[in-house]
Amino acid sequence: SYELTQPPSVSVSPGQSASIACSGDKLGDKYASWFQQRPGQSPVLVIYQDNKRPSGIPERFSGSNSGNTATLTISGTQAMDEADYYCQAWDSSTVVFGGGTKLTVL
Amino acid sequence: EVQLVQSGAEVKKPGESLKISCKGSGYSFTSYCIGWVRQMPGKGLEWMGIIYPDDSDTRYSPSFQGQVTISADKSISTAYLQWSSLKASDTAIYYCARLNGPRSNPEDAVFDFWGQGTLVTVPS
Repeated sequence: SYELTQPPSVSVSPGQSASIACSGDKLGDKYASWFQQRPGQSPVLVIYQDNKRPSGIPERFSGSNSGNTATLTISGTQAMDEADYYCQAWDSSTVVFGGGTKLTVL
Repeated sequence: EVQLVQSGAEVKKPGESLKISCKGSGYSFTSYCIGWVRQMPGKGLEWMGIIYPDDSDTRYSPSFQGQVTISADKSISTAYLQWSSLKASDTAIYYCARLNGPRSNPEDAVFDFWGQGTLVTVPS
């Protein structure tokens, strides 16, 4: 079955850029989405179709997808961005989530 | 405003049955697919399956096929997730989410709105 791999944790200083990678076989041939989940809350879509931002998502969130890796980048990271982040893609009509990355802003 | 409102937390015994719900509002319920996602305590997101409410066409993750049943009642804009015999390992938060995209190519679709989650606890 298809797998998406994320680093368990990423740390960033406030105001700096954070990048979270998501790897999968030929992931660049698929669309990647990214979800933010703050503690005790439901997931929120922050990036879809590789690099599109839903209405209401700050411009500091951006995405890219090429080769075997999709990347979520948060520019000018703020304390409120501390959360778990999940990538997601489809493979053979099946939804696949990455294992999640805990972003710590310190 | 698009909303998915899920039923409240449940505490059940092993072997009991359960049906939880997800009511959509603020959009045409039959025009969008609904998906279900499990999150076990302290763990990540796992896709369980989807349903197209207009005709109840359902697709399951291989991991959950035969373990749960997904259904919908379009007359009341509600999707359901049910178990016939719960196990302690079913303890988790269950989310419904709207899938926005073409039915002809679901791999272009996106989970754009999520419910608040339903906590199901099955003590061992």
